[in-house]
Amino acid sequence: GQNIDQPTEMTATEGAIVQINCTYQTSGFNGLFWYQQHAGEAPTFLSYNVLDGLEEKGRFSSFLSRSKGYSYLLLKELQMKDSASYLCAVKNFNKFYFGSGTKLNVKP
Amino acid sequence: GAVVSQHPSRVICKSGTSVKIECRSLDFQATTMFWYRQFPKKSLMLMATSNEGSKATYEQGVEKDKFLINHASLTLSTLTVTSAHPEDSSFYICSAQIAGPTDTQYFGPGTRLTVL
Repeated sequence: GQNIDQPTEMTATEGAIVQINCTYQTSGFNGLFWYQQHAGEAPTFLSYNVLDGLEEKGRFSSFLSRSKGYSYLLLKELQMKDSASYLCAVKNFNKFYFGSGTKLNVKP
Repeated sequence: GAVVSQHPSRVICKSGTSVKIECRSLDFQATTMFWYRQFPKKSLMLMATSNEGSKATYEQGVEKDKFLINHASLTLSTLTVTSAHPEDSSFYICSAQIAGPTDTQYFGPGTRLTVL
């Protein structure tokens, strides 16, 4: 089976930095994706890692360690609109397997 | 770019009826589309992989006669929930894949199905 684990919920303060972790054990690996999903809406693509290291995109960065089966999404300068669920997805061949998502609550 | 639409966005139907959901890639061609189901506060569960011009590949535990998938063109895939029952009520999301180095999937806005 495919196991992808994320914390269920996190709370952070506006303007702060938050790190959302994802660990995975899958039968294959062809890349790791992070998506943002607001309640009742479809996920939107945030970032992609296939090699070890850090990918930076504005306020969002994502890190991958393939040997450890570990990734994190780093959100800087948090804004209220960042309150959403963040989904970690592992690509195995042509399929994506999603974690259960981390609900991030940003408070003033 | 990379816009995916879904129709309808919300549907309520009686038990025993069939419901068709359309997924379209608006500004790109997608040889592969995916159908997911999402339960409240849960993540996306892959139901099937839809390839243009061929039969869909269903995940284990998903009834192919219950959830009919047709990928008629490079921009359209449809999911038909046949003889719907209340337990089929869910949020159904499609995605379309842009073939390339990352094969990123872009998601439609989802369809909320409620079966009475």
